[in-house]
Amino acid sequence: NAGVTQTPKFRVLKTGQSMTLLCAQDMNHEYMYWYRQDPGMGLRLIHYSVGEGTTAKGEVPDGYNVSRLKKQNFLLGLESAAPSQTSVYFCASSEPRGGNQPQHFGDGTRLSIL
Amino acid sequence: GQQVMQIPQYQHVQEGEDFTTYCNSSTTLSNIQWYKQRPGGHPVFLIQLVKSGEVKKQKRLTFQFGEAKKNSSLHITATQTTDVGTYFCAGPSSGGSNYKLTFGKGTLLTVNP
Repeated sequence: NAGVTQTPKFRVLKTGQSMTLLCAQDMNHEYMYWYRQDPGMGLRLIHYSVGEGTTAKGEVPDGYNVSRLKKQNFLLGLESAAPSQTSVYFCASSEPRGGNQPQHFGDGTRLSIL
Repeated sequence: GQQVMQIPQYQHVQEGEDFTTYCNSSTTLSNIQWYKQRPGGHPVFLIQLVKSGEVKKQKRLTFQFGEAKKNSSLHITATQTTDVGTYFCAGPSSGGSNYKLTFGKGTLLTVNP
C-alpha cells in the first residue's frame, strides 16, 4: 500500500546541472501534481496532469518541464538547475470523480542547488 | 487571481489551550479542504467542507465553512503535543477548477508541553 512514492528523497546539485524527479502512484489516479514548498510560501503548483499524455502549467512553471507517459508516473525535470530552485518538492495525486477530491501527497524530495 | 489567506502565520500555545486558524478567500468557494503537515512530513488531507454554514467535527477538531462560502476555520480544543504541525486550507483554483487547488500559506502550530 505505497500510495505516492517520490524518488530521490534528497539531492544536492550544482548550478547548471540537470535532474529528474520521479513520482509514482499505485492508486490508479487520473490527476497528478507537482508542488514546491518554500518557507512561508505554502504549496505552489508547478505543473499538473489530468491524464496520461497530458500536462499543463501551474502557478510557477518556469525552469521546469514535466512528462506523463504512463498513468502511474509523473516526472519533473530541471534542465539547468538554479539556486532559486532549492526547495522541497511534493508530488500529489487525486481522483477526478465529483471534482476536487482529496490530494494524496508523497514524502517529498529535498533539493539543494549550490 | 484567486487568493487564499490564512491567519495567523504562527501560533504557540501551552498544552491544553485551544487553537484556531482562519482561512479567507477572495472569491466564493465551491468547497474547502484542510490539510495537516507534521514537521518534516508531507501534507495529509483532514476534511472537505462543501455546504454553506457546514460544521464538521473530528474528535477535538472542529471545522466550519462560512455562510458566504468565502471563509473557513479550524478549531482545536485542548491542544496536545501531537497537534504540532502546519495546517493548510485549500480551495479550488480560479475558474472553479475541478482539479486544481490553491493552498493558503498555512498556520504553524507549536505546543509547549
